[in-house]
Amino acid sequence: EIVLTQSPATLSLSSGERATLSCRASQSVNSYLAWYQQKPGQAPRLLIYDASNRATGIPARFSGSGSGTDFTLTISSLEPEDFAVYYCQQRRSWPLTFGGGTKVEIK
Amino acid sequence: EVQLVESGGGLVQPGGSLRLSCAASGFTFSSYWMSWVRQAPGKGLEWVANINQGGSTKYYLDSVKGRFTISRDNAKNSLYLQMNSLRADDTAVYYCVRPPDTSIVNWFDPWGQGTLVTVSS
Repeated sequence: EIVLTQSPATLSLSSGERATLSCRASQSVNSYLAWYQQKPGQAPRLLIYDASNRATGIPARFSGSGSGTDFTLTISSLEPEDFAVYYCQQRRSWPLTFGGGTKVEIK
Repeated sequence: EVQLVESGGGLVQPGGSLRLSCAASGFTFSSYWMSWVRQAPGKGLEWVANINQGGSTKYYLDSVKGRFTISRDNAKNSLYLQMNSLRADDTAVYYCVRPPDTSIVNWFDPWGQGTLVTVSS
């Protein structure tokens, strides 16, 4: 099983600041990594797939990078609606696995 | 508009059974792989099971293998999860999910609103 480790667990930032979230895989997932956003009481939403492709309707301030075992989700300038929990997920091998999440909170 | 509406959750005793349903609309259901993903209260996301378009290929999380069965009825645009021998650690919100495109597998979007399964005596 591929274990995904997200860091930091919590990121305290202000609106307008840049957020950098990390996801590290226990073995290579090539570029088969996605990022999701989940707000309280809501289902997750796909942001990025295949490491760097924005899903439909996702603003350009969200970007993904990386390959192999190290990946980054960057939010270039935080908007109030971006404070949420972010999860990474791999589809390189079964079972499909998610990281433990990073909470982006208002500082 | 694409919609996934789960139902069938509730309170069940350990060892009991429950059948979840997901009603799909707004897209050609029979063209997509479908999946179930769960989230224990206050915890992260966990993939549970996948099924291909025709229902002939299925994948399961090891901890549910032999207890849960994913199935679909393309004529009714419906996805199911039969859960037997339920345990306390199966307590979670269960989401019905679809890939964003027919050519994309194992990325999840959209998601249903989820149905809560609570396993407790």
